[in-house]
Amino acid sequence: ETGVTQTPRHLVMGMTNKKSLKCEQHLGHNAMYWYKQSAKKPLELMFVYNFKEQTENNSVPSRFSPECPNSSHLFLHLHTLQPEDSALYLCASSPGTERPNYGYTFGSGTRLTVV
Amino acid sequence: GDSVTQMEGPVTLSEEAFLTINCTYTATGYPSLFWYVQYPGEGLQLLLKATKADDKGSNKGFEATYRKETTSFHLEKGSVQVSDSAVYFCALIAAAGNKLTFGGGTRVLVKP
Repeated sequence: ETGVTQTPRHLVMGMTNKKSLKCEQHLGHNAMYWYKQSAKKPLELMFVYNFKEQTENNSVPSRFSPECPNSSHLFLHLHTLQPEDSALYLCASSPGTERPNYGYTFGSGTRLTVV
Repeated sequence: GDSVTQMEGPVTLSEEAFLTINCTYTATGYPSLFWYVQYPGEGLQLLLKATKADDKGSNKGFEATYRKETTSFHLEKGSVQVSDSAVYFCALIAAAGNKLTFGGGTRVLVKP
């Protein structure tokens, strides 16, 4: 148990489907993050939330829509994805600027396959 | 901007061999430095960290020393096991910041 839980672990979806990824943390952290990890590519930071407010969006296509209803939960809503969006999606949390040296805690990821 | 450079893999070793993964960084001031490990099919786990110059982080037989003079944070383990097969990521958080900047990752394969 890492303290950051992601569901589902695996997801297969068609290009016309709508699905959501969920992330939950019980660490009392104030910041949450979505990363994309594709084969043979560096980790890509997608979105950053601090105290439920989005503070960073790294030019992510609008077919990815994040939602952070509170500091403990983070969602990534997916619609009309492309096969190249197939990847491991990782959620992370951190104390934020209160304790910047703490580092991030990651979930186990959701393996997404778009068919 | 901040950046982390680590050796490209894959690194293939025999069990009980010595492992070194080089990591150098570019950042202003005194960043905090981290090593994360990703086992097959899993997310990233914090392996060790160091927050100031000359600090040594250690965990599970792995060690890394924060070298300000060479801007390096090399990861070492004296005797690897098959279970150490994973991808290792070096990372930093800049002073007065909260953004974790990763290196490209180094895949390590330990053979029996």
